[in-house]
Amino acid sequence: QKEVEQDPGPLSVPEGAIVSLNCTYSNSAFQYFMWYRQYSRKGPELLMYTYSSGNKEDGRFTAQVDKSSKYISLFIRDSQPSDSATYLCAMSATGFQKLVFGTGTRLLVSP
Amino acid sequence: EAGVVQSPRYKIIEKKQPVAFWCNPISGHNTLYWYLQNLGQGPELLIRYENEEAVDDSQLPKDRFSAERLKGVDSTLKIQPAELGDSAVYLCASSLSGRPDTQYFGPGTRLTVL
Repeated sequence: QKEVEQDPGPLSVPEGAIVSLNCTYSNSAFQYFMWYRQYSRKGPELLMYTYSSGNKEDGRFTAQVDKSSKYISLFIRDSQPSDSATYLCAMSATGFQKLVFGTGTRLLVSP
Repeated sequence: EAGVVQSPRYKIIEKKQPVAFWCNPISGHNTLYWYLQNLGQGPELLIRYENEEAVDDSQLPKDRFSAERLKGVDSTLKIQPAELGDSAVYLCASSLSGRPDTQYFGPGTRLTVL
């Protein structure tokens, strides 16, 4: 079993929809949780960062962490075609330990 | 501010040939990472440097892969000899020490081994 599980998709939604992306993990020591966006043939780009539990909002993006369920989510409101990309979750136990990535979920937002 | 720079962006080689990738991190970032990303997968850490010291190289196949970070700035990752299974994207990233929220990736080098 992988430490971090993520549905690879693809997830297809119409423009304007609310998108929910999720990851589950098995290592209860994880405390740092990140979401990256990766466009085709580009490097991952950091979108959201959360330390420990709770919610964080940035514009149309909201990240949630539920440590009791070992479950993290990224919500995208009013999705746009430009949001079409692969979304990777990543997490680590401490600031000095390696990030463990999910496989990524491919999102397609159609006009 | 310039991001993480990698070169070359693409490389095609025959198996058993050597290949090298270069990375220039964001100025002031002490920590440098090399990741391997296979198609449809997330990045997997190969090696992490804190300044000049390799502090985590447990996933680096040391029989054919080597890396160095001269003067704690630029880094080179080398494969010798390359195998067909090494075809992947090699990503470099950098961050401030102990700050995963400051980790930024370069565009990657796409390696094809024929």
